[in-house]
Amino acid sequence: AQKVTQAQTEISVVEKEDVTLDCVYETRDTTYYLFWYKQPPSGELVFLIRRNSFDEQNEISGRYSWNFQKSTSSFNFTITASQVVDSAVYFCALSGSNTGNQFYFGTGTSLTVIP
Amino acid sequence: EAGVTQFPSHSVIEKGQTVTLRCDPISGHDNLYWYRRVMGKEIKFLLHFVKESKQDESGMPNNRFLAERTGGTYSTLKVQPAELEDSGVYFCASSRRTGVSLEQYFGPGTRLTVT
Repeated sequence: AQKVTQAQTEISVVEKEDVTLDCVYETRDTTYYLFWYKQPPSGELVFLIRRNSFDEQNEISGRYSWNFQKSTSSFNFTITASQVVDSAVYFCALSGSNTGNQFYFGTGTSLTVIP
Repeated sequence: EAGVTQFPSHSVIEKGQTVTLRCDPISGHDNLYWYRRVMGKEIKFLLHFVKESKQDESGMPNNRFLAERTGGTYSTLKVQPAELEDSGVYFCASSRRTGVSLEQYFGPGTRLTVT
């Protein structure tokens, strides 16, 4: 079965602090994909990144970085020098080669960056 | 290009009434998905269209839910009769092609409240 766990329900940080959002997944598929989405107050989910199961290289995009570790089934997301505009709900999601095209989402982490 | 749009943004109905939600995917996207998030829980898959055909409806909770995509463009999701547990945010997403590796583009959701 596919499952995504985001244990952190809510996080508050002061502006300019670094923050890491945790994502742990379960799957029996050998080929799978992991995603992060951001949900700002406007409501839509904004795609941030996709990672496939064969690529464990960490990725950096500006202040955002992602750490994918198959050994711990984790795909964590770090925001460096957080800003107020980073305040949002962040979702981690999983899709697998044997489970159709549906995404399996975690419950989301609500991040508040305090100015 | 315009993103995924959903209508209405909010709907409040009484138990037993009927509600129809509409989704307009990104132009040219053959794949359309419906998801639902019940308060505080994960976003859950409902069904997947490829053009006008239902590819996967394994997530539909019961036969009170009816999804259509006539002509392969916009889609509607009807709930009849609505129950209290149907309350939540209904998201629509689209992707250009079929494939587990592809990111899905989400709309802002319709918040449904059944009283």
